[in-house]
Amino acid sequence: DAKTTQPTSMDCAEGRAANLPCNHSTISGNEYVYWYRQIHSQGPQYIIHGLKNNETNEMASLIITEDRKSSTLILPHATLRDTAVYYCIVRVAWGGSNYKLTFGKGTLLTVNP
Amino acid sequence: DSGVTQTPKHLITATGQRVTLRCSPRSGDLSVYWYQQSLDQGLQFLIQYYNGEERAKGNILERFSAQQFPDLHSELNLSSLELGDSALYFCASSPWDRSAYEQYFGPGTRLTVT
Repeated sequence: DAKTTQPTSMDCAEGRAANLPCNHSTISGNEYVYWYRQIHSQGPQYIIHGLKNNETNEMASLIITEDRKSSTLILPHATLRDTAVYYCIVRVAWGGSNYKLTFGKGTLLTVNP
Repeated sequence: DSGVTQTPKHLITATGQRVTLRCSPRSGDLSVYWYQQSLDQGLQFLIQYYNGEERAKGNILERFSAQQFPDLHSELNLSSLELGDSALYFCASSPWDRSAYEQYFGPGTRLTVT
């Protein structure tokens, strides 16, 4: 799986957009970008994933650069409940033998009132 | 609520003992993954089962074993427990074994070895 690089921590004001960056410069053509988050000691929660097009769902938007070497997760209106560790994970979508998720250290997003 | 259930929520036991953690996947999901989260190692993949068969192994110790039963629930057995085995253990499920489907995680079992 490609390695990802994320900032250790970020702050965001409640009600503002939170933009979480992720670098994955060694991503392969058959690898997706996934985002999960983990609220303190709870099970990780799936947020969104994409291959090369931008994606949006009810939780967030995912912007992937054209060269696919980086991406940004956008929480449009952050709330206090969005305070969590956010993990950017690159995982093979096909042709692999193991579809495990490899978690790095993630970004601790703190939403402030 | 992800639809994945894990029991027990908390487990306290002594070194040298053996415990069993249980996971019920989301309805219809055939694949179960086990992960361990400790303070110093972060979230690490242990093992995956698909429809009763072992599919992939990660950093799982020989003292640990798992299985998936015909009703698709899975158990993770930890034996000869050591202090360092204290961690959160999560299971996750997904519909298939070799696909880009997202994994849905349970609430975890917190194991404390004293």
